[in-house]
Amino acid sequence: TQLLEQSPQFLSIQEGENLTVYCNSSSVFSSLQWYRQEPGEGPVLLVTVVTGGEVKKLKRLTFQFGDARKDSSLHITAAQPGDTGLYLCAGVLGAQKLVFGQGTRLTINP
Amino acid sequence: DSGVTQTPKHLITATGQRVTLRCSPRSGDLSVYWYQQSLDQGLQFLIQYYNGEERAKGNILERFSAQQFPDLHSELNLSSLELGDSALYFCASSVDGIGYTFGSGTRLTVV
Repeated sequence: TQLLEQSPQFLSIQEGENLTVYCNSSSVFSSLQWYRQEPGEGPVLLVTVVTGGEVKKLKRLTFQFGDARKDSSLHITAAQPGDTGLYLCAGVLGAQKLVFGQGTRLTINP
Repeated sequence: DSGVTQTPKHLITATGQRVTLRCSPRSGDLSVYWYQQSLDQGLQFLIQYYNGEERAKGNILERFSAQQFPDLHSELNLSSLELGDSALYFCASSVDGIGYTFGSGTRLTVV
């Protein structure tokens, strides 16, 4: 059983469309992070959200942390082929341990 | 270049063998984390070291062990290898326990 459930696991959309990826848990996290991973590389940190209800924007990407600090979402506006990749959410538990969701594999078709 | 160096990048070995994966953290980072990534399990936390001391343990098998040396580099030792141990092994480092920097990983194939 995954501590963090991501949905959808796979998403294929056309360039220019909007999308939202969800990350849900029954656990409370001190902070939550989103990573992007390219084939053959390690995950790269996109953002960290710490406060319940926090919203952070990174160009066309909007990240939100749930009020209860149990869930998060990633919204991409006007998706581009360069957004293609594996998106991972990860929550920080005690002892600074990071637990990951299983990832959302996103494909943006030109 | 993320600043976290992992070697080797690829490793092919036979069942029953033992291998050592090496990680050099980003300069100034005291914490090192090891993760295993397989297709059906995602990224699984194995173990964390902080300044040479074991800090947290995850789903690490008894056949696996790790250590962090005084120069802060870390090694992950995998023994009595099985086919199911084939995976990507990532090392990450952190200065504050919040922002992690990952290396490019070691792809282990057990045949």
